[in-house]
Amino acid sequence: AQSVTQLGSHVSVSEGALVLLRCNYSSSVPPYLFWYVQYPNQGLQLLLKYTSAATLVKGINGFEAEFKKSETSFHLTKPSAHMSDAAEYFCAVSEGGTSYGKLTFGQGTILTVHP
Amino acid sequence: ETGVTQSPTHLIKTRGQQVTLRCSSQSGHNTVSWYQQALGQGPQFIFQYYREEENGRGNFPPRFSGLQFPNYSSELNVNALELDDSALYLCASSIPEGTDTQYFGPGTRLTVL
Repeated sequence: AQSVTQLGSHVSVSEGALVLLRCNYSSSVPPYLFWYVQYPNQGLQLLLKYTSAATLVKGINGFEAEFKKSETSFHLTKPSAHMSDAAEYFCAVSEGGTSYGKLTFGQGTILTVHP
Repeated sequence: ETGVTQSPTHLIKTRGQQVTLRCSSQSGHNTVSWYQQALGQGPQFIFQYYREEENGRGNFPPRFSGLQFPNYSSELNVNALELDDSALYLCASSIPEGTDTQYFGPGTRLTVL
């Protein structure tokens, strides 16, 4: 069974600083991996996805993530944080070797951005 | 813009009642998945429907049931509501034959008193 661990339930950065949100996964098959963002009282918005193509994935709003099979990691980064990046971020893995199957989510990381 | 819509936005029920939540998938998407997100938690998979048939179920009791209609819209029904059913319920649509992404709706916030 797949699982996802997000290291750090809360991350705080200053505006303009590097954002690094950590995600480790467990999967018995080549994984499909996703990062979603959730703003207060809203649903989930897809930031980016890894579907076995390039290991460095670029997403919306300047975010990117690198798939590292040897480390079973899929950390999310952004070079320079903006106040509008404050939200909760979820890493997810898709089950069954497909991208449309059951998603298993991590517990989420709340990102706070200080002026 | 994802195009997935859910209704109602908010709902308050009492313990023991039944509730029906609705989801309209993005145009052309024939697969709908439902998730429960308790406060402070990541979403948990309830079940998935593909072309009107259940196509996978998570660790939820039978009082959680669903339907998918010919237009691919979907309902989530919960019977005998319990306090722990209070959560944000999210649906996501996708199309296995095409896009490799699940698009989420804004969710229905259910409060059980």
